[in-house]
Amino acid sequence: GENVEQHPSTLSVQEGDSAVIKCTYSDSASNYFPWYKQELGKRPQLIIDIRSNVGEKKDQRIAVTLNKTAKHFSLHITETQPEDSAVYFCAAKRNTGFQKLVFGTGTRLLVSP
Amino acid sequence: ETGVTQSPTHLIKTRGQQVTLRCSSQSGHNTVSWYQQALGQGPQFIFQYYREEENGRGNFPPRFSGLQFPNYSSELNVNALELDDSALYLCASSLATRTGGETQYFGPGTRLLVL
Repeated sequence: GENVEQHPSTLSVQEGDSAVIKCTYSDSASNYFPWYKQELGKRPQLIIDIRSNVGEKKDQRIAVTLNKTAKHFSLHITETQPEDSAVYFCAAKRNTGFQKLVFGTGTRLLVSP
Repeated sequence: ETGVTQSPTHLIKTRGQQVTLRCSSQSGHNTVSWYQQALGQGPQFIFQYYREEENGRGNFPPRFSGLQFPNYSSELNVNALELDDSALYLCASSLATRTGGETQYFGPGTRLLVL
């Protein structure tokens, strides 16, 4: 069935370092890949997304890369700041039929000052 | 903020009871998806409503049911509550078009505790 694996489960970095979170999906029909940031007790917030016709997308300190052949996509955060500390979820979805997001298990990112 | 609202914010019930959770979608959106997020887990898809009809369902039993109203707001009903139903229930609003639908915006969630 559909599955999204996410690694690592926890990631600790020093302020200013880069952080990379990786996901692998199983459904080859997936063609939309969002990333959500969830702070403690709050809603998941969309931070960046990518579609299958694009290999990379960047928004300031955040970038996402997609390798459709390998069914991998990754989130890259540069110049991390303490306010980047949160749980990050990747997700995958087909762009046909109904809009079911399949989420990864989450990565807890801790950025130390 | 996304413009998606949910009520109530917190709820405590006992086993066997029934609960109704509510979601107001973002203006202009026609689709609501419901997710269950257990502590320390990613959200799990329950079902989706598009133009007042169920448009897909995840691996949840029939005691999880829902509705969507003409204004695209939605309800999630859970009957015969079990302890494992304790979780954060999230709704997500999106605009489905003929070519598909993509970005889902989440509400703040309802935290349900079943004792």
